[in-house]
Amino acid sequence: RKEVEQDPGPFNVPEGATVAFNCTYSNSASQSFFWYRQDCRKEPKLLMSVYSSGNEDGRFTAQLNRASQYISLLIRDSKLSDSATYLCVVSRNTGGFKTIFGAGTRLFVKA
Amino acid sequence: IAGITQAPTSQILAAGRRMTLRCTQDMRHNAMYWYRQDLGLGLRLIHYSNTAGTTGKGEVPDGYSVSRANTDDFPLTLASAVPSQTSVYFCASSAGPLGNTEAFFGQGTRLTVV
Repeated sequence: RKEVEQDPGPFNVPEGATVAFNCTYSNSASQSFFWYRQDCRKEPKLLMSVYSSGNEDGRFTAQLNRASQYISLLIRDSKLSDSATYLCVVSRNTGGFKTIFGAGTRLFVKA
Repeated sequence: IAGITQAPTSQILAAGRRMTLRCTQDMRHNAMYWYRQDLGLGLRLIHYSNTAGTTGKGEVPDGYSVSRANTDDFPLTLASAVPSQTSVYFCASSAGPLGNTEAFFGQGTRLTVV
């Protein structure tokens, strides 16, 4: 079993829709969480960090559920430009940082 | 500001050949990393360097070597390429430990070993 797992999708949604992705992690010592965005044939870029209390950045909301060991990303009012792959990143510090990238969830937003 | 620059952007390489992928950053970040990205597997860490003069092995180091002679450069060498090393390679850097700070990635090198 992978330490970080994501539904690969693809998620196909119309413009204006709300879509949510989950990412599960298996190591309870995980302490830092991030969402990165990767456009087709481009490099990953940080979208947002995920804080324990949940956080929002415009149309994007990230949440952490430590009890069930997953993080989520909610995108409201989807835009065509949101089409990308979203990578979940989980990190822990057990005698040195170990950071693991999920394989990503693909999102296609259609007109 | 260029950020992180990788070269070449793509390469077709004969099996058995030696190749060095170049990575340069101008952000004065202490930490640098090399990842490979394969379909369905996500980004996997090959080697890393927490500071100039030091390097460490990641998840998939076999067949690869790195050096960190200075802060800016972190080349990745394939001593004798094999087809399983066909992948997209990303160099990245961060100001602090990756678990605490943002990673900045280069544009990637698409390598095909035939």
